[in-house]
Formats: sequence, structure tokens, C-alpha cells
Amino acid sequence: EAGVAQSPRYKIIEKRQSVAFWCNPISGHATLYWYQQILGQGPKLLIQFQNNGVVDDSQLPKDRFSAERLKGVDSTLKIQPAKLEDSAVYLCASSYRTSGLTGYNEQFFGPGTRLTVL
Amino acid sequence: SQQGEEDPQALSIQEGENATMNCSYKTSINNLQWYRQNSGRGLVHLILIRSNEREKHSGRLRVTLDTSKKSSSLLITASRAADTASYFCATDVLSFSSGSARQLTFGSGTQLTVLP
Repeated sequence: EAGVAQSPRYKIIEKRQSVAFWCNPISGHATLYWYQQILGQGPKLLIQFQNNGVVDDSQLPKDRFSAERLKGVDSTLKIQPAKLEDSAVYLCASSYRTSGLTGYNEQFFGPGTRLTVL
Repeated sequence: SQQGEEDPQALSIQEGENATMNCSYKTSINNLQWYRQNSGRGLVHLILIRSNEREKHSGRLRVTLDTSKKSSSLLITASRAADTASYFCATDVLSFSSGSARQLTFGSGTQLTVLP
């Protein structure tokens, strides 16, 4: 089966510019996640979608970050305007089902987008 | 905040030796998972251990879980140069702030270097 697709793989922008990342999850996966991974750290969850609805965006800096998953399939994460501290790898992941106590919530990750803000 | 913390932060061993990484966490979990990340790549799921299990094997991987101590360890036996990567533990918990959504919280990782 095809994996999680992300684009672009690399992006360099200047501070205060805007940038958008795209993710296409594994077919049939209802749950989609966006993570931010700063160099030397583990991934930090930014937002979680279940189909086309947001289930958790408590760690998303909403003054500058936005994300959507309009048709419950692919998703876009946007930063506007970017700051120097946004330099990181942005990872998209998907899983089959993540509600309740059943299921294992194994997540499948895309290759990530490495963002450098100058 | 990061729920899991890996120890050591970095580990360097010779090919053929065993590598042990530890993870500690803070809250009750549904399961604990280990992921590997090669440089410049996404994370790859390695193994999952449920909260009612104490030990699990998969190939050269052995993971243990001690829920009383809130800790887990990952052992890679007979390491190879290709095992060089960062290894993360992730705790699977119910996030009550988001209804009944399940989420993974990752630790800061152990950078493993296997020297040929």
C-alpha cells in the first residue's frame, strides 16, 4: 500500500513569509496528525483530525498556524507569518482509527517537510 | 510537554553488540510504542507493547514494560550499522481534552550509532 505522502520535502523562507505543507494519508485512514519536530527533540503534536473534523488543536499556535482537511482525505498546514523558531521538520502521520480504548493507534509517518526560516 | 523521556540521549556501540534504551513516562497508558527515525526521514513503527504485557519480542528487538515504575526498555541484539538511527518511545493515551481521541506522546529520543 502507498505510504503517507508529503510535499514539499524542503522549504526555505524568510521570516514573516507564508508557507504551506501538504499531506496525503494512507487510503482509508480516518485520523490524520500534524507534528512539529525541532532538531534534537521528539515530535510534538500540533493538530489531530478525525475524518474532516478537528479533535485536538490545543497545541497549535493559532495566531499563525492553520490547518484544514476539507474532504476528510488530504490536509494542508499553513504558517502565516513564519518566525525563526518555526524552523523544524513538519511531519504528517495517519492511523486507521483512534477513538475509545480499543485498537492500537499505530501511526504511519510521511517523510516530513524540513522548513528553514531565515 | 513530552510524556516520555529516553535514556541515554546518545549511545555509540560496535557492530554485533547489544543496545539498550530506556524510556520513562508519567501517566497511565493504553500501550507503549517504539519508533525509529533515520536521518532526514519520517518515523517508522517498530514494536508495540500493551499495558497488560511485560515483555515482547520481534526479530532482534525485545521490549519490556514495567507499569509500576512507568518505564520501558528496548533492546536491540546483535546490532548492525543499519540500526544507526534515533529511537523514540511513544505513549498511547486517551486525551480527555479532546473527547476520547487517542494520542501518542513522544519522548526526546536516543541517538544510536553503530560503528562497523
